[in-house]
Amino acid sequence: NAGVMQNPRHLVRRRGQEARLRCSPMKGHSHVYWYRQLPEEGLKFMVYLQKENIIDESGMPKERFSAEFPKEGPSILRIQQVVRGDSAAYFCASSPPVVGTGGYTEAFFGQGTRLTVV
Amino acid sequence: AQSVTQLDSHVSVSEGTPVLLRCNYSSSYSPSLFWYVQHPNKGLQLLLKYTSAATLVKGINGFEAEFKKSETSFHLTKPSAHMSDAAEYFCVVRPMNRDDKIIFGKGTRLHILP
Repeated sequence: NAGVMQNPRHLVRRRGQEARLRCSPMKGHSHVYWYRQLPEEGLKFMVYLQKENIIDESGMPKERFSAEFPKEGPSILRIQQVVRGDSAAYFCASSPPVVGTGGYTEAFFGQGTRLTVV
Repeated sequence: AQSVTQLDSHVSVSEGTPVLLRCNYSSSYSPSLFWYVQHPNKGLQLLLKYTSAATLVKGINGFEAEFKKSETSFHLTKPSAHMSDAAEYFCVVRPMNRDDKIIFGKGTRLHILP
């Protein structure tokens, strides 16, 4: 079972271009989380998705950012018209759904995509 | 409402001395609790987890944490710090409810002094 796969690992975009970050969760995981980490700062929650549903997007900027997790395929974090302030590491995590009452398992993280806007 | 509070944003200890990173949580439901570590320019790695079994949890690299329900705490400890422990540590709660959202603390950066 491969881990959480994020691609690309590094992405360079010019101001005004679009950035698409992909996250393939672990097999059987239906929950996906996206986090942003600015240089020298901690993890900031962006969005929590389950298959075909956005559960919580309270951490997403209101403009230019969107996320999806379709029934088939990876989760996509899309940033339109990127600006220098979008330069950061973007981490994706996945976890399985609630199963019985035995306690939940942890979230598994990808290695991140480092976005640089020039 | 569910929340996680890491009481210190930075902790500095000397090599060979004990480490204590504090975490308090708030959850209306019986939670699962985790500690993750992130080394510079790396991804996140699970250190240990509590899922309603033993309240004292042992993790990797000599770390352990104790779940104290009466204090709503899940502090991370290590008897003797090593230079390689310098990293950012995140306390995480996953409440047992329909929402099932994982909540991260703001992180504690651990500095190890030679």
